[in-house]
Amino acid sequence: KNEVEQSPQNLTAQEGEFITINCSYSVGISALHWLQQHPGGGIVSLFMLSSGKKKHGRLIATINIQEKHSSLHITASHPRDSAVYICAVYSGTYKYIFGTGTRLKVLA
Amino acid sequence: DSGVTQTPKHLITATGQRVTLRCSPRSGDLSVYWYQQSLDQGLQFLIQYYNGEERAKGNILERFSAQQFPDLHSELNLSSLELGDSALYFCASSGGQGGQPQHFGDGTRLSIL
Repeated sequence: KNEVEQSPQNLTAQEGEFITINCSYSVGISALHWLQQHPGGGIVSLFMLSSGKKKHGRLIATINIQEKHSSLHITASHPRDSAVYICAVYSGTYKYIFGTGTRLKVLA
Repeated sequence: DSGVTQTPKHLITATGQRVTLRCSPRSGDLSVYWYQQSLDQGLQFLIQYYNGEERAKGNILERFSAQQFPDLHSELNLSSLELGDSALYFCASSGGQGGQPQHFGDGTRLSIL
């Protein structure tokens, strides 16, 4: 079993829909990172959080440390949001673990 | 723009060859991390350097080596290449040495024929 699990693995949505991607982890962490990887391959850092909630534009990330769970929400989704979303956790010095990613496709 | 520069963007070579991938970290960042992303394995940590010194090692093969130079740029050397080495190789950087990358490059896509 992976230490960082994401669900769903694949997600197709219609433009405008509210999207939620989940990340669960089984190790103790000091921070969690949400990354976006576009079809071209480049990786963009979206959020780094250790508690509570962060918002940037149409993206919202939450984390519940007690439940070892984080969610990434996209409001009013758009085709340009189509990408792979990766959750990664920082589990102590030099230990950074990636989830397997969620492939999102938003249809116009 | 993350500020992390990787070259080349694409590399095509043959089995048995040797290649060098280059990474310049974001200005001011002292740590450089290398990751491999292959189709069947997701992102795998290879190695981290901080201010010229190796800090952490992940699943890096003996055929692979890396170094970080005094100007903080880093090179990843891959030798005796095999078909299975075909992957996207990412570099990331951060200011601290603790192992948490903050800024990612666009990757180098390596294809072994």
